[in-house]
Amino acid sequence: NAGVTQTPKFRVLKTGQSMTLLCAQDMNHEYMYWYRQDPGMGLRLIHYSVGEGTTAKGEVPDGYNVSRLKKQNFLLGLESAAPSQTSVYFCASHWGHTKSYEQYFGPGTRLTVT
Amino acid sequence: DQQVKQNSPSLSVQEGRISILNCDYTNSMFDYFLWYKKYPAEGPTFLISISSIKDKNEDGRFTVFLNKSAKHLSLHIVPSQPGDSAVYFCAASQNDYKLSFGAGTTVTVRA
Repeated sequence: NAGVTQTPKFRVLKTGQSMTLLCAQDMNHEYMYWYRQDPGMGLRLIHYSVGEGTTAKGEVPDGYNVSRLKKQNFLLGLESAAPSQTSVYFCASHWGHTKSYEQYFGPGTRLTVT
Repeated sequence: DQQVKQNSPSLSVQEGRISILNCDYTNSMFDYFLWYKKYPAEGPTFLISISSIKDKNEDGRFTVFLNKSAKHLSLHIVPSQPGDSAVYFCAASQNDYKLSFGAGTTVTVRA
């Protein structure tokens, strides 16, 4: 099992450009999440999904869109990148049917917007 | 406003001694708490958790204590080893499969 994988690992964008981050999991998990990590802020939830075809807003959703067309994939889109979106982005997944709340994380994508 | 707070950004401890990491929360609806460990350039990995119906959970060298009345939890690592040098995140859930994270504490274990 690869677990949770993220593509790409690094990316540099110019202000106003768009891009899509891909997250894939092979654990048949129902729930998937996108977080951003900034210095001194911990991990903050951007959007999440409780199943194929569903999405919901998290704590900091502005400037991002997501899609979950297939159960194993969760895409994060930036339509018009801004320097404030410079961050490390983590995807995570969870089985969704247990009383354990442990999420499994991918290795992260480091995004710089200039 | 952050609902989970780790007020110590860093901790330095000698190898073999105890590391104590602290975490405070403000939301009384949180009923499950987790600690994650993160190495540079990697994603966080789950370490240990505790339900609000317990006050202690132990797993090898790692013990988490929960004081609900004080809205405080702590992670004890005994004995500390060089491989424990990492960033540790406290997280909490209110039974909705979403996690709220603290800002993290960087632990350095000195030889």
